[in-house]
Amino acid sequence: DIVMTQSPDSLAVSLGERATINCKSSQSVLFGSSNRHHLTWYQQKPGQPPKLLIYWASTRASGVPDRFNGSGSGTDFTLTISSLRPEDVAIYYCQQYCSPPYTFGQGTKLEIK
Amino acid sequence: EVQLVESGGGLVQPGGSLRLSCAASGFTFSNFWMHWVRQAPGKGLMWVSYVDSDGTSTAYADSVKGRFTVSRDNAKNTVYLQMNGLRAEDTAVYYCARGAGGLDQWGQGTLVTVSS
Repeated sequence: DIVMTQSPDSLAVSLGERATINCKSSQSVLFGSSNRHHLTWYQQKPGQPPKLLIYWASTRASGVPDRFNGSGSGTDFTLTISSLRPEDVAIYYCQQYCSPPYTFGQGTKLEIK
Repeated sequence: EVQLVESGGGLVQPGGSLRLSCAASGFTFSNFWMHWVRQAPGKGLMWVSYVDSDGTSTAYADSVKGRFTVSRDNAKNTVYLQMNGLRAEDTAVYYCARGAGGLDQWGQGTLVTVSS
């Protein structure tokens, strides 16, 4: 199974500053037939289901603000929020859907400093 | 509007069974893989299972393999999760989600509590 490890576990950032969350997979999540990295990012707020932010490692989902950016390749990926807003307080998860079981990272809790 | 509505959760004793349902609307259900994801109280997300668009391919997390069975009825726009041999550690909110370049639509979840 592919193990997904996020860092840090929690993060406090000032409003308007950049937030960076890392995700490392135990093996490549490059899907051969598509030549894309099957790596997604989700945002979950309390009492709500997760919301898809990024798929294929760097493609923003519909309606996601452009301050959210995904990057990376191979086994190392990053979610960056360029200018933190109050509504970005949430837990963020990465997930690989390259090879089942489609494992999630443990989550990163983002708070306002 | 895409909607996914889970049902079937509740309190069950260890060793018992439950069948969860997820009714889909607002999209062509038969075109999409469907997934189940669970979240234990205060914990992170755990992917549970998927079923492909015509129901011929499935996969499971190791912790539920042999106990849970996913299926779908495209005529009813519904995906199911049959859960047998339930354990306390299966206690969680169970979400169904649509697979499309990631899990792009999620239901609100249904709570399963396994306790005596």
